[in-house]
Amino acid sequence: QVQLQESGPGLVKPSQTLSLTCTVSGGSINSGDYFWSWIRQPPGRGLEWIGYIYYSGSTYYRPSLKSRSTISMDTSKNQFSLKLSSVTAADTAVYYCARVSAFSSGGHDSWGQGTLVTVSS
Amino acid sequence: DIVMTQSPDSLPVSLGERATISCKSSQSVFYSSNNKNHLAWYQHKPGQPPKLLIYWASTRESGVPDRFSGSGSGTDFTLTISSLQAEDVAVYYCQQYYSTPYTFGQGTKLEIK
Repeated sequence: QVQLQESGPGLVKPSQTLSLTCTVSGGSINSGDYFWSWIRQPPGRGLEWIGYIYYSGSTYYRPSLKSRSTISMDTSKNQFSLKLSSVTAADTAVYYCARVSAFSSGGHDSWGQGTLVTVSS
Repeated sequence: DIVMTQSPDSLPVSLGERATISCKSSQSVFYSSNNKNHLAWYQHKPGQPPKLLIYWASTRESGVPDRFSGSGSGTDFTLTISSLQAEDVAVYYCQQYYSTPYTFGQGTKLEIK
């Protein structure tokens, strides 16, 4: 059974870059069967999809975050990462990494536990 | 972007009673090439990640109790819990994966009456 785990700083200063890593175990990210997503939930609000990466390295980002977002992958470590630059308090959220089935379901079928990132000086 | 709108925002239901949540999309999420509606439902409990319940609008994920069912097509969808259990208290989200950016509804908070 695949498991995902987010890691990274819980506190980031305004204008700096938020960096998170998702470590995947029990399955390879180097598989054409899945996309690998980042999703966030600001306090008291709903879920917001940030973007995903495919095993080929192709990426897609939410347009409103595209200019500040970079998703990359390290197949040797079975990890994928999110960088979000020039953060503000509005980027404070629980950040989740998740797996998306490319063909069989289309839904996010496995999730990390989530990590709270607070943007504050 | 496809806008997903859920109703109601909050739903109090008695134990054992039926719960029905609506989700409407601003454009059709039915893909004629595979004859499927690209719509998923998730259950989200505090302190836990969201859990996939339903995909292709009506297919239950493995291990999901059969009291959960999804229906609808095109732009109008429904999640039904046939007999509410205490462990079903959560926020429920619909999500379209017809086109990127993927978008979620605002969530429906299901509680015990």
